[in-house]
Amino acid sequence: NAGVMQNPRHLVRRRGQEARLRCSPMKGHSHVYWYRQLPEEGLKFMVYLQKENIIDESGMPKERFSAEFPKEGPSILRIQQVVRGDSAAYFCASSPQVQGVGTDTQYFGPGTRLTVL
Amino acid sequence: ELKVEQNPLFLSMQEGKNYTIYCNYSTTSDRLYWYRQDPGKSLESLFVLLSNGAVKQEGRLMASLDTKARLSTLHITAAVHDLSATYFCAVRGADGLTFGKGTHLIIQP
Repeated sequence: NAGVMQNPRHLVRRRGQEARLRCSPMKGHSHVYWYRQLPEEGLKFMVYLQKENIIDESGMPKERFSAEFPKEGPSILRIQQVVRGDSAAYFCASSPQVQGVGTDTQYFGPGTRLTVL
Repeated sequence: ELKVEQNPLFLSMQEGKNYTIYCNYSTTSDRLYWYRQDPGKSLESLFVLLSNGAVKQEGRLMASLDTKARLSTLHITAAVHDLSATYFCAVRGADGLTFGKGTHLIIQP
């Protein structure tokens, strides 16, 4: 059973360009979460999605950032007009369910390290 | 707003010693997680604690949860170099997880 997959693993962009980060959840998982990690910091929640729905985007910056999880294909985190402050590691996690019987442990992907020049 | 505080943030210890990492959180939650992260790597799930008084052990690591005190501990017994990593606790809020800043653990021979 393949784990959570993210690509690319490393992404370099110049200021003003767009960054698109992809996340394929574990098989059977329908919940996807995006987190951002700055150097020497913990992870900060950004957005929680289910298929075709954004459930909670309270951690997303209001401008330039968007996320989607289409019916088919991976979840995409899109950052428009990147700035140097966007440089960070972006982690995706997936879980099979949030409520109900059993745990809802989030399984993390390897991350995408974004560097903005 | 849910806040999660870990201490210490940095810990250097010798092999063979015991130590405890503390995780305090500010509001009621029904899930507390411990993760390990090696430099440049993703997070590895260590423990999920679901109820007051829960204690879980894996090798030299043992985690416990006191929901009344809103406190979890990660105890390291007879540390070995391979345990050097950053350890995060995370608490489930309304939807996503709120993480502590992490404890950078260095175990020296």
